[in-house]
Amino acid sequence: GQSLEQPSEVTAVEGAIVQINCTYQTSGFYGLSWYQQHDGGAPTFLSYNALDGLEETGRFSSFLSRSDSYGYLLLQELQMKDSASYFCALPADNQGGKLIFGQGTELSVKP
Amino acid sequence: DTEVTQTPKHLVMGMTNKKSLKCEQHMGHRAMYWYKQKAKKPPELMFVYSYEKLSINESVPSRFSPECPNSSLLNLHLHALQPEDSALYLCASSQGQGPGLSYEQYFGPGTRLTVT
Repeated sequence: GQSLEQPSEVTAVEGAIVQINCTYQTSGFYGLSWYQQHDGGAPTFLSYNALDGLEETGRFSSFLSRSDSYGYLLLQELQMKDSASYFCALPADNQGGKLIFGQGTELSVKP
Repeated sequence: DTEVTQTPKHLVMGMTNKKSLKCEQHMGHRAMYWYKQKAKKPPELMFVYSYEKLSINESVPSRFSPECPNSSLLNLHLHALQPEDSALYLCASSQGQGPGLSYEQYFGPGTRLTVT
């Protein structure tokens, strides 16, 4: 089957850098996505890695190592508004359209 | 326009009521989804529509009945729900259903459903 593991909680201070790790198990790999969800809000797509390496989008970067079945989301210059849940997700390898989500990492940014 | 809209925002219904949730997107996306999300949990897929046809039903109880009237609209009809069905119901869309297109999904704000 397919599964993803990520830490349940991470705490950091404003202005710092934080890394949220995600390890996965899958037979077919179609890429790793990251979503952000503020409390009471909708998930918002952040980034996607299909190939190894780092993808940068402003303050957020995402990294993938397919050989290690591992990825991470890097958030720089943390702001209070970055406090949210972050999910890594994989497309299901036998059901097109289905995303398998990790359990989510709750990021708390302190002043 | 990269927005998915959902109505209503909040819904309280009794176990004998019939109600519908509505979702709309105007991005030309060909895949649309219904998810259920409980507090502190990831979204849980319920249904996938591709080109207006039901493609995936994740063994959802028949008291939830999806409908896709056209390529922009998605409804979820609710009947005889149970208190444990109380959750945030999210609609999403993507360019297509394949794994190369479904990784980027646009979510609506959700309907917060309470079943009494």
